[in-house]
Amino acid sequence: DTAVSQTPKYLVTQMGNDKSIKCEQNLGHDTMYWYKQDSKKFLKIMFSYNNKELIINETVPNRFSPKSPDKAHLNLHINSLELGDSAVYFCASSLIRGIGELFFGEGSRLTVL
Amino acid sequence: AQTVTQSQPEMSVQEAETVTLSCTYDTSESDYYLFWYKQPPSRQMILVIRQEAYKQQNATENRFSVNFQKAAKSFSLKISDSQLGDAAMYFCAYSGGGSEKLVFGKGTKLTVNP
Repeated sequence: DTAVSQTPKYLVTQMGNDKSIKCEQNLGHDTMYWYKQDSKKFLKIMFSYNNKELIINETVPNRFSPKSPDKAHLNLHINSLELGDSAVYFCASSLIRGIGELFFGEGSRLTVL
Repeated sequence: AQTVTQSQPEMSVQEAETVTLSCTYDTSESDYYLFWYKQPPSRQMILVIRQEAYKQQNATENRFSVNFQKAAKSFSLKISDSQLGDAAMYFCAYSGGGSEKLVFGKGTKLTVNP
C-alpha cells in the first residue's frame, strides 16, 4: 500500500507540449511538496502546499502550476515544455508543516525531446 | 539562507567495513532537524536516520549512526558492516528555523565493493 504515489513514473514528450504529473498521499499529512532532481542529482524544492494552501513557490517559472484539489493530492502541470525541464520530479508529504522528515513518492522521470 | 554541504561526491567501501560520509551545514537557528536520505538506483528516497538539534545524543539506527557536532555544524553518517545493498546516493538534509522546506546537500555516491 504505497504511502505517496505519483503517476506517471516515466514521461517522454516533445518540446512545447503540456503535461501533468499527479500525486496522492494516504498518510493523512497536511503538507505536500514538489521537488525537482536535475541530471546532477541535485534536489531542489519547487512548491509546498499546506492543507490546499500554497506556502512555498521557489521562483519556479510560471509555466509550472501546482494544483491541490484536497490535502491528499498535489498535481503538477507544466505548460510549453522546454528541454531544461527534463528531470525527475518528486512529490513528498510531511506530517508537520516545516518540521521533520518528508515521505517521498517514487519520482516521475520527465524527458523532453 | 541555510545551506548543506557534502564535500565527498563519491566514496567507496569494502563489504563488511565501515565508512563515514561527511556533511556540514550553515544556519543561525538553534532548533532544527537533520536527516540522511538514501537514494538507491531504484530512485526511491528513503529516510536513513534523523537527528533533532536539541538532542545531544547521537541518533542510531541499526548499522547507521551519526556524529552530530552542533558547535561545528557537522553531521556525519557512519555505516558499519557495509552491505552491497547500501550502495546508493546519500543525501544530507536540513529542516528548521520555521522554514517550510527541506534543504539538501548535493549527495555522495557510495559504492560497496564485494
